[in-house]
Amino acid sequence: GAGVSQSPSNKVTEKGKDVELRCDPISGHTALYWYRQSLGQGLEFLIYFQGNSAPDKSGLPSDRFSAERTGGSVSTLTIQRTQQEDSAVYLCASSRDRVDEKLFFGSGTQLSVL
Amino acid sequence: GENVEQHPSTLSVQEGDSAVIKCTYSDSASNYFPWYKQELGKRPQLIIDIRSNVGEKKDQRIAVTLNKTAKHFSLHITETQPEDSAVYFCAANQVGSYGKLTFGQGTILTVHP
Repeated sequence: GAGVSQSPSNKVTEKGKDVELRCDPISGHTALYWYRQSLGQGLEFLIYFQGNSAPDKSGLPSDRFSAERTGGSVSTLTIQRTQQEDSAVYLCASSRDRVDEKLFFGSGTQLSVL
Repeated sequence: GENVEQHPSTLSVQEGDSAVIKCTYSDSASNYFPWYKQELGKRPQLIIDIRSNVGEKKDQRIAVTLNKTAKHFSLHITETQPEDSAVYFCAANQVGSYGKLTFGQGTILTVHP
């Protein structure tokens, strides 16, 4: 596609529910990243995919967070048993390959946990 | 791990003035320093980047300087325009951790007409 696509753009959920956030990277980009942006904060690294494998999951804040990528393309970030502190904008980015560090970001999913 | 500090947190200038945003980093091994611009409600967009083998890079009204010894780098915007108003983020890479950028806290730049 023309750019990185994320859905939904907004998600409101109740505490304790599970949510799935989707990312569709730029066509041909093999590297995919998830970042989190809390209100008034910088971007926090969550996880990195090269192809379908995730060599770096070091940023996932807890075992309630998981992510997968299939077909070397679409990725899903899942948050189980959501908590209020999970409220943030979740940004996906892709780059041409693992060596190219120029990241192209999606518009993000604004997650609100009530 | 890498730590990036960014200053100031807010910056207000008059149209036509220059704006400077500064960042310091902690890991001397870092070798890639991008700057992203994020307009309200929009995605972060890469505006300029620099590698550690270069001391300065310019792109029209935007320039970035890097001082490896002091471990700091700066974004310079000249002849500011209202459309430059946005949040600017600096970042530094972690060598060997591809795409794992550590971001500064951001600077809200407001350019008054």
